[in-house]
Amino acid sequence: ELKVEQNPLFLSMQEGKNYTIYCNYSTTSDRLYWYRQDPGKSLESLFVLLSNGAVKQEGRLMASLDTKARLSTLHITAAVHDLSATYFCAVDAEGSARQLTFGSGTQLTVLP
Amino acid sequence: DGGITQSPKYLFRKEGQNVTLSCEQNLNHDAMYWYRQDPGQGLRLIYYSQIVNDFQKGDIAEGYSVSREKKESFPLTVTSAQKNPTAFYLCASRAEIVMGYTFGSGTRLTVV
Repeated sequence: ELKVEQNPLFLSMQEGKNYTIYCNYSTTSDRLYWYRQDPGKSLESLFVLLSNGAVKQEGRLMASLDTKARLSTLHITAAVHDLSATYFCAVDAEGSARQLTFGSGTQLTVLP
Repeated sequence: DGGITQSPKYLFRKEGQNVTLSCEQNLNHDAMYWYRQDPGQGLRLIYYSQIVNDFQKGDIAEGYSVSREKKESFPLTVTSAQKNPTAFYLCASRAEIVMGYTFGSGTRLTVV
C-alpha cells in the first residue's frame, strides 16, 4: 500500500522568508504532483514531476523530485501573503491502474 | 471550455436517505475518480473508473456506489449505509496520454 507523508502539517512563516515542505512516499513511483487548495475550493495544479532529478519553478515556488530517495520538496522563496493556502503532494503509483494517493497537506500561513 | 462539472455545489442529506452527486466531463478523458476530503485532511479515493462500464473500489468505498454508463459521466451515490457522509467530494479525470489530473469544483455534502 502506497503511503505519502508530508511535513510539516502546519507552517507559519513571516513574509520574505524561505521554507521547504517535504513529501516522502513509500513505493516506487514515476509521477508526483503538487496542488494548492484555498479554503472551500477545489485543487489547483502547481507542478507535475515526471522523472528523477526533475525541477520545476513557478514564481516563488520550486518543486523537485528524487525518485531514489522517494522524496519531493516544495521550496518557497521570499514568501508573500498570497501564498497562504494548503499544499498537497500526491503520488501516482506505477502500474496499470493509475490513481493518486495524497499526503495529508501542509497548511501554510504567511504572516505580514 | 473543456472541464469537469460537479453538481450540486451544496447538498443536504437527511438520515437514511440516498443522494447522488453528479460529475460530467467534456475532456474526452478515459479515467475518472471520486475523492472524499474531510476537514483538515487529505483526499481519499472512493471509486475510480478506467473505462466505460468498468469501475473499481478505492480505499473507502463502503457506503458508496457508482456507475459509468457513458464516458462523460461518473455519478456517485452516497447510500444510507454511509454513516458519516458529511464531507467535501471531488471528482477528477485523467487522459491516458496527457499527464496530470483535472479536478471539478467539488460538492459539499452535509447530513441534517
